[in-house]
Amino acid sequence: AQSVAQPEDQVNVAEGNPLTVKCTYSVSGNPYLFWYVQYPNRGLQFLLKYITGDNLVKGSYGFEAEFNKSQTSFHLKKPSALVSDSALYFCAVRDSYGGSQGNLIFGKGTKLSVKP
Amino acid sequence: ETGVTQTPRHLVMGMTNKKSLKCEQHLGHNAMYWYKQSAKKPLELMFVYSLEERVENNSVPSRFSPECPNSSHLFLHLHTLQPEDSALYLCASSQDTATSTLAKNIQYFGAGTRLSVL
Repeated sequence: AQSVAQPEDQVNVAEGNPLTVKCTYSVSGNPYLFWYVQYPNRGLQFLLKYITGDNLVKGSYGFEAEFNKSQTSFHLKKPSALVSDSALYFCAVRDSYGGSQGNLIFGKGTKLSVKP
Repeated sequence: ETGVTQTPRHLVMGMTNKKSLKCEQHLGHNAMYWYKQSAKKPLELMFVYSLEERVENNSVPSRFSPECPNSSHLFLHLHTLQPEDSALYLCASSQDTATSTLAKNIQYFGAGTRLSVL
């Protein structure tokens, strides 16, 4: 069965410092991995995805994520955090076999708080 | 703006009421989804429609009844809800659902309807 784990409920970072939001996954086949962000009172917004190719994926708003197959991880990173990055971040996975119509399985979310 | 509009944004209803949530997408997508977002729990996929046909129903109680009259509109009809059904209900759409066209699977979400059941 597919699953996603976001081990941290909350991550606190000072503005200007690098940030990492962790995600690990479990799938049967090759993973397709996604990060979404949810700002207060808004729906989820797509940030980036990994399908194949380069393990370092670049996305919106200066975010990037690194796919690590041996550690089954897809951590979200940004070199210099902004206060406006404060939001709820969701990791999601689906497998290449297309089970359940290939629907996304979401983690429970990590709240990122960036202080000035 | 993501191109997915949900109304109403907030809804308070009693357990005996009947109400409906509406979702409209202006992206020309073929697939639409309903999710339930509760505090400190992963997003729960409720229903998936592809080309107006329901393709997934994740064991959702019958007090939730979806309707997809066309590819641009999705409704969630609610009746005799319970207080534990209080949550944020999110609608999403994607161009497609097929695995072979993953780029078309990126889901675009509406802002959600915050539902409170008293």
